[in-house]
Amino acid sequence: EAGVVQSPRYKIIEKKQPVAFWCNPISGHNTLYWYRQNLGQGPELLIRYENEEAVDDSQLPKDRFSAERLKGVDSTLKIQPAELGDSAVYLCASSFGETQYFGPGTRLLVL
Amino acid sequence: AQSVTQLDSQVPVFEEAPVELRCNYSSSVSVYLFWYVQYPNQGLQLLLKYLSGSTLVESINGFEAEFNKSQTSFHLRKPSVHISDTAEYFCAVRTSYDKVIFGPGTSLSVIP
Repeated sequence: EAGVVQSPRYKIIEKKQPVAFWCNPISGHNTLYWYRQNLGQGPELLIRYENEEAVDDSQLPKDRFSAERLKGVDSTLKIQPAELGDSAVYLCASSFGETQYFGPGTRLLVL
Repeated sequence: AQSVTQLDSQVPVFEEAPVELRCNYSSSVSVYLFWYVQYPNQGLQLLLKYLSGSTLVESINGFEAEFNKSQTSFHLRKPSVHISDTAEYFCAVRTSYDKVIFGPGTSLSVIP
């Protein structure tokens, strides 16, 4: 069974530029999560989807971050414009039940 | 509000020695408990989980954790560590409201 797929794995951009991350969850997993992990810290939830619906986006900085999950499968997370403080690893996870399965993450560096 | 505490940010231990990584949580509702491991430049991998039933849970690579409701703890232990166990370990709590909270992580370094 294929795991959670994320791309790109690494991204370097200059501040004020836009950036997008893509996630393909495990087949059949209706719940999808986007997390941000800063260096030396645990993951922090940005947004959670149940199928196409964003059921928890309370921690998503909506002035610059947006996400979508069309058709309830793949998802994209966008930052526009990026700031220096957005440098982090962005993790996607999916679940069907209590356990989340994580992708390898996208490491973002904003210069 | 729920929270997860991992008191030890770094734990160095000699190869073949025992190790315990501590995790405490606060929650007013029932929880599920997880330990994830993260190797360098990789995503988080599930190590073990407690959902219900026996309070002692084990992983396939020799780790175990015990859910202690009275002490609100879920400490991770291994009787003899290997070099390959060097990684970051995260404790996580999931409530019945589907909120998942991660601890700050403990960096385990196994010394040859």
